[in-house]
Amino acid sequence: GAVVSQHPSWVICKSGTSVKIECRSLDFQATTMFWYRQFPKQSLMLMATSNEGSKATYEQGVEKDKFLINHASLTLSTLTVTSAHPEDSSFYICSGARNTLGYTFGSGTRLTVV
Amino acid sequence: KQEVTQIPAALSVPEGENLVLNCSFTDSAIYNLQWFRQDPGKGLTSLLLIQSSQREQTSGRLNASLDKSSGRSTLYIAASQPGDSATYLCAVRERDDKIIFGKGTRLHILP
Repeated sequence: GAVVSQHPSWVICKSGTSVKIECRSLDFQATTMFWYRQFPKQSLMLMATSNEGSKATYEQGVEKDKFLINHASLTLSTLTVTSAHPEDSSFYICSGARNTLGYTFGSGTRLTVV
Repeated sequence: KQEVTQIPAALSVPEGENLVLNCSFTDSAIYNLQWFRQDPGKGLTSLLLIQSSQREQTSGRLNASLDKSSGRSTLYIAASQPGDSATYLCAVRERDDKIIFGKGTRLHILP
């Protein structure tokens, strides 16, 4: 089946630094990749939609200058959390659409900012 | 704006019982509905996917139904086991490809 590989699975960084999260679709082309985050005991919330070769579309309340999304190819999308702060600590997960077969999700990244 | 609601928020049942998790959505113009399982701190595992034209899907001890017109889906788990303990998420895919998640039901199966 289709696989989305997400790295790293967990990362601890210092406040003020930047962190990059990668999602690769291994056996299908993901023209669209979605990025979600989940705070403890809350639902997954869509952050942004990235389309290959164009600018990402951000959901209301998500700072596009803080969460940089790049979707340079049909198999790779990246999320960079810039100048991370403790309140950015969360679980980040990506997914690619597989037409009628539903979505395939990455395994998620646990970000802890100290 | 689509809203997905899951009831109950948490559920504890003894091992061996059959149980039903409920999901409702406000806008019936969906492409499909998917049930996921999430273990603490982990990613999502897709359990069942129901297309908008389908009424139900089955996989092992799991059965999911969809009544699009009334905006409801149920996930039925037969003969529950401790390993079924997890958070179960319901998500609808809209025609613009967005997925809207419910807040989940935290299920605890008591040994």
